[in-house]
Amino acid sequence: AQSVTQLGSHVSVSEGALVLLRCNYSSSVPPYLFWYVQYPNQGLQLLLKYTSAATLVKGINGFEAEFKKSETSFHLTKPSAHMSDAAEYFCAVSDRGSSASKIIFGSGTRLSIRP
Amino acid sequence: DAGVIQSPRHEVTEMGQEVTLRCKPISGHNSLFWYRQTMMRGLELLIYFNNNVPIDDSGMPEDRFSAKMPNASFSTLKIQPSEPRDSAVYFCASRIGTVDSPLHFGNGTRLTVT
Repeated sequence: AQSVTQLGSHVSVSEGALVLLRCNYSSSVPPYLFWYVQYPNQGLQLLLKYTSAATLVKGINGFEAEFKKSETSFHLTKPSAHMSDAAEYFCAVSDRGSSASKIIFGSGTRLSIRP
Repeated sequence: DAGVIQSPRHEVTEMGQEVTLRCKPISGHNSLFWYRQTMMRGLELLIYFNNNVPIDDSGMPEDRFSAKMPNASFSTLKIQPSEPRDSAVYFCASRIGTVDSPLHFGNGTRLTVT
């Protein structure tokens, strides 16, 4: 069964600094991977997704993630943090078995931005 | 596109009462998921449907929980009887039935059982 592990439940960076949120996956077949963001009192919104077309995936709000099969990782980065990036971020995995596959989420990482 | 619509946004009820949460997926989406979010357990998948058929309900905590999808535009999650430990935010999400399609989430129902 597939799963994802997010290292660090809370990450704090200064405004303008690099953001790095870590995600490692486990899957018996090449997975589809997603990053979502959740702002307070809202549902999750898609940031980006990996579907094997390219290992470096660009998403909204300046975020990107790189799929590394050898490391089973899909870390999320942003070169320069903005105050509006403060939110909770979730990594998710879906296997390629069928269109009826379920999507499993990691435990989330809360990102705080220091002025 | 109105997005996934959940109702109510907030529900406060007393232990032992029946609670029904409602979800309207995005038109054209044929997969629907119910998740529960708590501080302690994070985001848990409860059940999901494909073409209105339940595919996997292994995440449903116990027999007090039930979910239905009578048609492509409506789903319910029912808790009977409710208990304080059921307090959480319940999310409904839908997606087009292709393997790489992402989920679209509603804004959730915050349930408080006293």
